[in-house]
Amino acid sequence: GEDVEQSLFLSVREGDSSVINCTYTDSSSTYLYWYKQEPGAGLQLLTYIFSNMDMKQDQRLTVLLNKKDKHLSLRIADTQTGDSAIYFCAESMAGGSYIPTFGRGTSLIVHP
Amino acid sequence: SQTIHQWPATLVQPVGSPLSLECTVEGTSNPNLYWYRQAAGRGLQLLFYSVGIGQISSEVPQNLSASRPQDRQFILSSKKLLLSDSGFYLCAWTPARTVTHRDGYTFGSGTRLTVV
Repeated sequence: GEDVEQSLFLSVREGDSSVINCTYTDSSSTYLYWYKQEPGAGLQLLTYIFSNMDMKQDQRLTVLLNKKDKHLSLRIADTQTGDSAIYFCAESMAGGSYIPTFGRGTSLIVHP
Repeated sequence: SQTIHQWPATLVQPVGSPLSLECTVEGTSNPNLYWYRQAAGRGLQLLFYSVGIGQISSEVPQNLSASRPQDRQFILSSKKLLLSDSGFYLCAWTPARTVTHRDGYTFGSGTRLTVV
């Protein structure tokens, strides 16, 4: 069955780069997403990548996709205290109903 | 622009009491609507989704039910709450299934439910 795995915690110093990793099992995944959840709030879509892409960059965010290893990563450059949040990886398939599978989320803690 | 409203933001209810959480979407038509629960601040569990008025799919059998009386209204209910129903409930919408998946989910701000 589908499964999305993430490490639960990541701690970095302000100004450093953060790399949040995710692995998934469904090779037919078409879209892969990163969501951000700030404390007490809903999830916000940060970025997505198509499965036919290897990399996508959006300002301080870089998404890398290794289809062979079914590995997705989110790199945040120059991490700020405002980046502290839970980051969820998710994947979905084209066709059929849109029901993405979410990972359990990685808590990013940024120290000043 | 599209917006999603979810209320109340916080709710404390005794065991055995009923529950009604409401979610409405504005600025779009025929959205797909979803209820998720996030227990202990971690992980997302899909509870219900709906692709149209009166069409509800349940992902997890439990003490809760959902209804969609109008196109842009999604309601989560319970007749008798259990302690295990405590959690953070999130409503979300996506464009209808024929639209590209790249839009992802748009989530509401959530309801923190504590059953005491």
